Amino acid sequence: DGGITQSPKYLFRKEGQNVTLSCEQNLNHDAMYWYRQDPGQGLRLIYYSQIVNDFQKGDIAEGYSVSREKKESFPLTVTSAQKNPTAFYLCASTTGGGVQETQYFGPGTRLLVL
Amino acid sequence: GENVEQHPSTLSVQEGDSAVIKCTYSDSASNYFPWYKQELGKRPQLIIDIRSNVGEKKDQRIAVTLNKTAKHFSLHITETQPEDSAVYFCAASISWGAQKLVFGQGTRLTINP
Repeated sequence: DGGITQSPKYLFRKEGQNVTLSCEQNLNHDAMYWYRQDPGQGLRLIYYSQIVNDFQKGDIAEGYSVSREKKESFPLTVTSAQKNPTAFYLCASTTGGGVQETQYFGPGTRLLVL
Repeated sequence: GENVEQHPSTLSVQEGDSAVIKCTYSDSASNYFPWYKQELGKRPQLIIDIRSNVGEKKDQRIAVTLNKTAKHFSLHITETQPEDSAVYFCAASISWGAQKLVFGQGTRLTINP
């Protein structure tokens, strides 16, 4: 998990503003994931990417967008269409080789609405 | 899609006693079942996982059992200690390239000294 970094640790969003959360990994992993965690709840998958320049919607993709221009980077943009963005956002990665492998998380970004 | 139910939502046990958390899943194609421990404000940390070709796995005081027929799996913590207090999450996934985890709602475990 030390190979996955997220920034910033805290992020504040104003009404109608788009904000971007950073996720970087130096593990040479092909697959990367974004999850959202609401207080007292489990994690829910927002988007995932199996390879550069390709990504797929998860269970709660509405109001979010992603890009995967580089293997090591998978930024998440929370758009103004996401009406309830306050949550803890976690990024993860795996080799994506189709085997059952451990998924480790980055330290997370806590997003708050002003 | 997959749905994971976790029980109980809160669990309080005396130090030294055992704790058991149970999860059920809906998709029989799920083949990987990790358990995570999350302390307040921190990221989830993997504590143990089990794959569908195994019925039980143990790591010191922690064990996980899997019943594929009934589609449920359980976490067992023995000789509980105060540092075991945390929120525990189960998850399930089908590994086809990307590994999309579906999480349970979590169990808040409190160990009373």
